[in-house]
Amino acid sequence: EDQVTQSPEALRLQEGESSSLNCSYTVSGLRGLFWYRQDPGKGPEFLFTLYSAGEEKEKERLKATLTKKESFLHITAPKPEDSATYLCAVHWHTGKLIFGQGTTLQVKP
Amino acid sequence: DAGITQSPRHKVTETGTPVTLRCHQTENHRYMYWYRQDPGHGLRLIHYSYGVKDTDKGEVSDGYSVSRSKTEDFLLTLESATSSQTSVYFCAIGGGSGELFFGEGSRLTVL
Repeated sequence: EDQVTQSPEALRLQEGESSSLNCSYTVSGLRGLFWYRQDPGKGPEFLFTLYSAGEEKEKERLKATLTKKESFLHITAPKPEDSATYLCAVHWHTGKLIFGQGTTLQVKP
Repeated sequence: DAGITQSPRHKVTETGTPVTLRCHQTENHRYMYWYRQDPGHGLRLIHYSYGVKDTDKGEVSDGYSVSRSKTEDFLLTLESATSSQTSVYFCAIGGGSGELFFGEGSRLTVL
């Protein structure tokens, strides 16, 4: 069964404490891997698309990387405004798009 | 701002009543989607549309129907609401890849 797993479920960091979020997937035939940010009470907001192993994308304090079986969202020197739930989604060759359950990040000042 | 609005944003209804949620876009995107988001399940696709009058089922389509009579509008209907359909519903638009733009969500409570 196609599966997308995100870890950890929740992450608490102090402001400035860098860390990484993981998104792993179990099936080959990847068309693309997508990262989204979701604030409470809002819809997900698109962040990045990654298409092939070795690819990296950056935006401010966020950097997304991709290997053959997983993606990492690295957060460097986070600020409280980076607190949100981060979702990854995988687009299969079949056309299906499957979301992971998300990692809720809390950054304390 | 992707130019996508959902209505109503909040609704409380009773079991057995029909409910229609509306999604309106101003971006002229071909694809429109309805997702539900529940704790422990994440975002799950209900139905999607790839053009006017062209729709298909997602992974949790039972109990839901959709219609798209115009490019800009995508309606989700619960013919007879049940408590298991209490959820937050998100409409999304896109070009057919996984890069989607989401609405603000519609919170539905079925008593």
